[in-house]
Amino acid sequence: QEQLQESGPGLVKASETLSLTCTVSGGSFSSYYWSWIRQSAGKGLEWIGRIYFSGSTNYNPSLKSRVTMSLDTSKNQFSLKLRSVTAADTAVYYCARAVFGDNMNWFHPWGQGTLVTVSS
Amino acid sequence: SSELTQDPAVSVALGQTVRITCQGDSLRNYYASWYQQKPGQAPVLVIYGKNSRPSGIPDRFSGSSSGNTASLTITGAQAEDESDYYCNSRDSSGNHWVFGGGTKVTVL
Repeated sequence: QEQLQESGPGLVKASETLSLTCTVSGGSFSSYYWSWIRQSAGKGLEWIGRIYFSGSTNYNPSLKSRVTMSLDTSKNQFSLKLRSVTAADTAVYYCARAVFGDNMNWFHPWGQGTLVTVSS
Repeated sequence: SSELTQDPAVSVALGQTVRITCQGDSLRNYYASWYQQKPGQAPVLVIYGKNSRPSGIPDRFSGSSSGNTASLTITGAQAEDESDYYCNSRDSSGNHWVFGGGTKVTVL
């Protein structure tokens, strides 16, 4: 049973860079897409971006200028960096494995999520 | 605003059937996937593709699609089905992924 676990600072200062890592265990890291998704308090889900095991990336256009995703296949980890954060970036951040087909996509499984608060 | 539109809330009597809809132009070309989220928990995939369920998801959950609308149906709703439900698919460009705003399902 594949499991994902997010890790990183729970508190980031405004204007600085949010950095999170997702560690994948119990399954294959290759041949999949890996995604970050966030959820602000009381709000819906927002897709941040995806990275393929080859390293190719695709980001939400609304966040593209501030986001970088990378991966470390030797450690079965992928990471998120979000620059110049503001209070609006305070959210629970989830990592998830993504399947990407010609006319469908889905996220399964998900990590448990980690709360990141941006302080002023 | 999201490119996928969901009703904010629906209610269903215990044991009855409820359909949750997701509307968007991209759904004419792409299937939606559906996620159940309980308070304080991560979302869980319940339906993907044309109408597939991951292991462990009860068969009272089913999916369908027509035109620009995807639907998640719970047949014989149980108390434990009370949750937020989100649809997911592509945006209008087909290159990026988006979520609907979510539907809160209340089981009466």
